[in-house]
Amino acid sequence: KNEVEQSPQNLTAQEGEFITINCSYSVGISALHWLQQHPGGGIVSLFMLSSGKKKHGRLIATINIQEKHSSLHITASHPRDSAVYICAVITGTASKLTFGTGTRLQVTL
Amino acid sequence: GAGVSQSPRYKVAKRGQDVALRCDPISGHVSLFWYQQALGQGPEFLTYFQNEAQLDKSGLPSDRFFAERPEGSVSTLKIQRTQQEDSAVYLCASSFDRDEQYFGPGTRLTVT
Repeated sequence: KNEVEQSPQNLTAQEGEFITINCSYSVGISALHWLQQHPGGGIVSLFMLSSGKKKHGRLIATINIQEKHSSLHITASHPRDSAVYICAVITGTASKLTFGTGTRLQVTL
Repeated sequence: GAGVSQSPRYKVAKRGQDVALRCDPISGHVSLFWYQQALGQGPEFLTYFQNEAQLDKSGLPSDRFFAERPEGSVSTLKIQRTQQEDSAVYLCASSFDRDEQYFGPGTRLTVT
């Protein structure tokens, strides 16, 4: 069993829909990243959070440390949001990331 | 540019060849990480530097993999006697201490 699990693995939505991607982890963490990866492209960090909630534009990330769960929400989704979204946790003192397998999001017109 | 850069972006190697992958982190970033991403998978940790010190190399898959960061800035990941299973995207990331990590575009290695 992976230390970091994401759901769903694949998600198709119509433009304008509200999207939620979930991440559960089984280890103690100091922080959690949400990352975006476009096909053939590099990885962009969307959020790093260790408690509560963060918002940036149409993106919202929440984390519940007690439940070991985080969610990434996209409001008013757009085709340009189509990408792989990856949850990654920071464990230990070295700050290295342990990644989930990603959620492939496709937003259609 | 101000971001993390990696070179080459694409590398094709014949099985058995040695390869060297370069990472230029953001200036002033103390921490540097190497990750390996196989096709269709999430990245996996390879190794971590704090300045020039390699503090964690637990993710290096074999002794054919070697990384260095001699002056605490540019880092090189070297793979000796490449095998087909080494084909992957190699990602470099840097951060200022334990802050958010910034990723480079990756080097796609194909071993034929």
